[in-house]
Amino acid sequence: EPEVTQTPSHQVTQMGQEVILRCVPISNHLYFYWYRQILGQKVEFLVSFYNNEISEKSEIFDDQFSVERPDGSNFTLKIRSTKLEDSAMYFCASTLGGQTFGSGTRLTVV
Amino acid sequence: LAKTTQPISMDSYEGQEVNITCSHNNIATNDYITWYQQFPSQGPRFIIQGYKTKVTNEVASLFIPADRKSSTLSLPRVSLSDTAVYYCLVGDSAGTALIFGKGTTLSVSS
Repeated sequence: EPEVTQTPSHQVTQMGQEVILRCVPISNHLYFYWYRQILGQKVEFLVSFYNNEISEKSEIFDDQFSVERPDGSNFTLKIRSTKLEDSAMYFCASTLGGQTFGSGTRLTVV
Repeated sequence: LAKTTQPISMDSYEGQEVNITCSHNNIATNDYITWYQQFPSQGPRFIIQGYKTKVTNEVASLFIPADRKSSTLSLPRVSLSDTAVYYCLVGDSAGTALIFGKGTTLSVSS
């Protein structure tokens, strides 16, 4: 069964540093997403991406965040100047219909 | 996006059938109903999606009445491994961001 692959599985970074979370969506999917889940809280939508541009974003997705599809397979989330409250699980998803989620990257900001 | 309401938690025993009902009174004509399952520290996993009447796959059944204002996820003969959070979401399946609620925490005991 096709999978959405996310790397790394766990990232620890110091406050103020930049991190890049990587995702390889399912190859024939057209829409790509990033979500996050703070420990013990619900899954929150960050951004969706279609046809090489952002199609929708939440109020969480401010100037600190950016997404990119640098080649035909990768989809990245960059978080600049990380804060303690950015610590969360970050999930990538892709879809043709129902969304398929990756297993997530646990980001810990110290 | 239509708001959904589902029970916060449910308890069951192994081998029983579990039915989780979700209310979505403001569902739009184009909206589909989708259920996801999430285990701790993992991404949500697509279970089933439907528009009206009944849909069945190898994992679950989804019952949707004619007015589509509610839906019921049915899990036949649950096992301990079905202990998870179950989310009901409604939206246009073509690229819409998923807005998760708190879901229903199902606890299955032996």
